[in-house]
Amino acid sequence: DAGVIQSPRHEVTEMGQEVTLRCKPISGHDYLFWYRQTMMRGLELLIYFNNNVPIDDSGMPEDRFSAKMPNASFSTLKIQPSEPRDSAVYFCASSLGVAGVRETQYFGPGTRLLVL
Amino acid sequence: KNEVEQSPQNLTAQEGEFITINCSYSVGISALHWLQQHPGGGIVSLFMLSSGKKKHGRLIATINIQEKHSSLHITASHPRDSAVYICAVNSNTGNQFYFGTGTSLTVIP
Repeated sequence: DAGVIQSPRHEVTEMGQEVTLRCKPISGHDYLFWYRQTMMRGLELLIYFNNNVPIDDSGMPEDRFSAKMPNASFSTLKIQPSEPRDSAVYFCASSLGVAGVRETQYFGPGTRLLVL
Repeated sequence: KNEVEQSPQNLTAQEGEFITINCSYSVGISALHWLQQHPGGGIVSLFMLSSGKKKHGRLIATINIQEKHSSLHITASHPRDSAVYICAVNSNTGNQFYFGTGTSLTVIP
C-alpha cells in the first residue's frame, strides 16, 4: 500500500481565501484523524472519523474549520476564510480500528500551510 | 497544566549511548503512543501500549499504569535516531487524545 496520501504537500495562500486539504487513508482502515502541528501548541487532534462518521470534533478550533469524509477513501479539511494563525502543518492519519482509537496510527506526510 | 508531560525537552547524546525519554500523564488512559518525528517532518508511530513492555529493534517502551508513567529507551543510539519523540495518550473517558510537547533528541557521531 502507498500509505496515507495527503495533498497538497505545500500550500501558500492569502488571508481570507478558502483552503482545502485532502487525505486518502490506507485502504481498509476504519479510522481517520486530522491533526494540526504548530511550534506554539505542538500536535493537536482536530477531528476523527470512524467508518466515515465524525466521532469527535471537539478539537476543531472554530467554525471556519470543517471536515468531511464522503467515502472510505477520501477526506477533506476545509478552512474558510483562512487566517495567518492557521499556518501550520496539517497531518492526516489512519488506523485499522479493530481496537477502536487504541490502534496504531499511520501518518501521512503532512500539508504545510502558510497563510499570508 | 498539561495532561502529558515529557522529559527532557532536549537531549544530546553520543553515538552508542543508552537513551531514556520519560512521559508522565495525569488522566486515566486506554492506550499510550510513542511517535517519532523526523527532521523532515514525517511522523511515524513507534509503539502503542496499554500495559507492560514492548520492544522493536533497539527501541523499548514501558508503561506503569499505576504510576501513570511511560519510558522510551533507545539502546546503542545512532545519529539516525535524531528526531523529536512525542508521547500521546488516549483518555479512557470521552475518547480524548492528549499530546506531550515532544523531546528533541540529537545523537552525535
